[in-house]
Parts: sequence; C-alpha cells; structure tokens
Amino acid sequence: EPEVTQTPSHQVTQMGQEVILRCVPISNHLYFYWYRQILGQKVEFLVSFYNNEISEKSEIFDDQFSVERPDGSNFTLKIRSTKLEDSAMYFCASRYQETQYFGPGTRLLVL
Amino acid sequence: GENVEQHPSTLSVQEGDSAVIKCTYSDSASNYFPWYKQELGKRPQLIIDIRSNVGEKKDQRIAVTLNKTAKHFSLHITETQPEDSAVYFCAASRRNTDKLIFGTGTRLQVFP
Repeated sequence: EPEVTQTPSHQVTQMGQEVILRCVPISNHLYFYWYRQILGQKVEFLVSFYNNEISEKSEIFDDQFSVERPDGSNFTLKIRSTKLEDSAMYFCASRYQETQYFGPGTRLLVL
Repeated sequence: GENVEQHPSTLSVQEGDSAVIKCTYSDSASNYFPWYKQELGKRPQLIIDIRSNVGEKKDQRIAVTLNKTAKHFSLHITETQPEDSAVYFCAASRRNTDKLIFGTGTRLQVFP
C-alpha cells in the first residue's frame, strides 16, 4: 500500500538556521498539507497546497515558512530562520477524497 | 474560532472492556470527522471516519457516532486489547477548507 514518506526523520539545527523538510506524497493525490505537533500536544494545521499554490494557511505559518512543489513528486516545507519554538514533529499529509494520509514525520530540534 | 474539544485526556480500561472517547466541535459547517490513532513516535493513522450525512458507522470493534445537532461525535471501542493502547485524536473539517482541526488527544491504556 502506498504511503507518504518524509526525510529526514530527525533534524537538529541551530537557532537562526534555515531548514528544509521534504515529503513525497502518495502519487495520485492532489492535495497536500503540513501539520506540526509539539511534544505531548495536539496536531496543528500549518498549510494546505493545491494546484501549485497555497489554499489556506494558519496563523503559525508566518513569513518564516514557505512551501514548494519543486517537481512532480516532492513537497517541501522551508523554515527560513528557525526559532527555539519551532522544535516539533512536522507531518506531511496528502489527501484522497476526504481522507488525509500522514507521513512518518520529521522531528525538528532547534538549539 | 474553530475548535475541537476532546475528553477524557486519559483513559485506562481492562482488556475486554469498552472504551468511549467524546469530542465536541464548534464549527457548525464541519461535515467530516475522522479519528486517528497515534502510537508513540509514529504517524497518526486513520482508523475510522464519518460524514455528516450519517449518524453512525461501525468497523469491527470500532464505531463512531455523530450528533450534528449537539455537535458531538464519539469513538467506541469494544472488546479492547492491549494493542489498542495509543493516543487517539478526533478531528473535524469542512469540505471547502479541508484542513483538519484536531482534538487534544486521549491516551488510552488497556491493561491485560
């Protein structure tokens, strides 16, 4: 069964550095998402993406964040200048009909 | 704003007993309600979902009920097993925005 994949599984970075988190959605899905989960808390919506543009973004998704679909398979989340509070698990998801399928996540630690 | 409340935050049951987790949503335009199971350090996995035109849905030991008037939906797990132990999240979305608004999660522990 096809699954959403994400790389890297873990990322440690210094505050102020840029990070790029990568996702490969399921191949016939057209809607893509990023969510984050701070340790021990609920999953929070960041951004949705369809037809090569952002459909919706949350208040968390400020100017430091950007998303891109650079080719036919990858979907990336970039954080330009990381802050300590960006430390979280970041999940990519892709959607078929109404069901969203989550990737395994990237655990980001900002020091 | 949009919000989903979930109760209880923790739930401990004996193997074989039933478990019930309840959620309340605020956005009356919500029309899709999935439940995800998340084991420690792993991705959320969809276990069951329900759409607003249905009041109840069952899949083996798992069932979900929806009361649109009261804006409540619940997850019912019967004959619980130790492998059911995980964190369960409810969520809600509406068709035209489709972002999932998650509840705060319920940590279910099933003791043998």
